[in-house]
Amino acid sequence: GAVVSQHPSRVICKSGTSVKIECRSLDFQATTMFWYRQFPKQSLMLMATSNEGSKATYEQGVEKDKFLINHASLTLSTLTVTSAHPEDSSFYICSARDVQGSDGYTFGSGTRLTVV
Amino acid sequence: DAKTTQPPSMDCAEGRAANLPCNHSTISGNEYVYWYRQIHSQGPQYIIHGLKNNETNEMASLIITEDRKSSTLILPHATLRDTAVYYCIVRPSYQGGKLIFGQGTELSVKP
Repeated sequence: GAVVSQHPSRVICKSGTSVKIECRSLDFQATTMFWYRQFPKQSLMLMATSNEGSKATYEQGVEKDKFLINHASLTLSTLTVTSAHPEDSSFYICSARDVQGSDGYTFGSGTRLTVV
Repeated sequence: DAKTTQPPSMDCAEGRAANLPCNHSTISGNEYVYWYRQIHSQGPQYIIHGLKNNETNEMASLIITEDRKSSTLILPHATLRDTAVYYCIVRPSYQGGKLIFGQGTELSVKP
């Protein structure tokens, strides 16, 4: 089945630094990928929709200058958390839809970001 | 987007069927019902989806009412590894439609 690889699985960074998270579709092409954030004991919150070759579409309340999304190829989308602060500590998850129209969306295994 | 309502938590005995309900009374004609589950600290896993007919796969069965205002996910023989948060989501059929997660049901399968 479709596989989405997300790296790193966990990262600790200092406050004020930037962190990049990669999301790769391993065996299919994805024109659209999605980025979610999940705080403890809460549901997944959609942050943005990443479209290959064009600008990402951000959900209301999500700062596009803080959460930079790049989708330069059909198999790779990146999320960069710029000038990270402790309140950005969260579980970040990406998802991709098979361009051939498979039955569902495939999710990455998530990235646990801790900002100290 | 149509919204869903699920009970926050449920218990199920190991080996028994787990029946997880979902209300989606405002679902539109072109919206599918999707079910995902999330085991602690992992990404969500696709389970099953349907439009109006009942569906079955190796993981579960999906029963959708005739008026499509509610559905039930059935895990026929729950195991301890089925302990997870189960999300019922409705979304349009067009490609690229985003998945909006509600609060889900936390299913605890007990020995």
